[in-house]
Amino acid sequence: EIVLTQSPATLSLSPGERATLSCRASQSVSSSLAWYQQKPGQAPRLLIYDTSNRATGIPVRFSGSGSGTDFTLTISSLEPDDFAVYYCQQRNDWPCSFGQGTKVEI
Amino acid sequence: QVQLHESGPGLVMPSETLSLTCAVSGGSITYYYWSWIRQPPGKGLEWIGSTYYTGSTKYNPSLKSRVTISIDTSKNQFSLKLNSVTAADTAVYYCARDRVPYQLLYDFHMWGQGTMVTVSS
Repeated sequence: EIVLTQSPATLSLSPGERATLSCRASQSVSSSLAWYQQKPGQAPRLLIYDTSNRATGIPVRFSGSGSGTDFTLTISSLEPDDFAVYYCQQRNDWPCSFGQGTKVEI
Repeated sequence: QVQLHESGPGLVMPSETLSLTCAVSGGSITYYYWSWIRQPPGKGLEWIGSTYYTGSTKYNPSLKSRVTISIDTSKNQFSLKLNSVTAADTAVYYCARDRVPYQLLYDFHMWGQGTMVTVSS
């Protein structure tokens, strides 16, 4: 099973700042990587699929990049609503697996 | 607007069977893949398994010996059974739908609100 390692575990930023979240895979996942946002008490929300494609309704300030084993989620200018936990997920190898999450806090 | 809603007991005794149902409203259960995903308290996400309206299933190998997922198209719902549960199965259980029809992409685009299940005597 592919292990996804997210860094940092916690990212402390202010509204308006740029957030850069990392996800590293234990082996290549090609471009089959997704990002989810989860707020306390809520289900995860799909933000990005296939490395860089925004899901329906996701604001353009969210962008994804990378390939192979190294991936990045960038939030260009943090809004108050963006403070949450973010998970990466791979589906290139079966079973699909998730990272342990990065918390973006104020 | 498709909505998913999980239901089932919030407390299960150790060694017994956890049973949950996901009701789909606002759209048909056909043509999409439907999944169960869980999240232990304070931890990350784990895919449990998926089903299609034809009844085909895929399970996470780590849980395969204990899991059964079934679908009832007449009721527009699908179900999860996890037997021989232990405290390690305590988690929020989510049902989810894939992003596009006809393909199991593991892009979990629509989610239920989740239901907490505690395994304890």
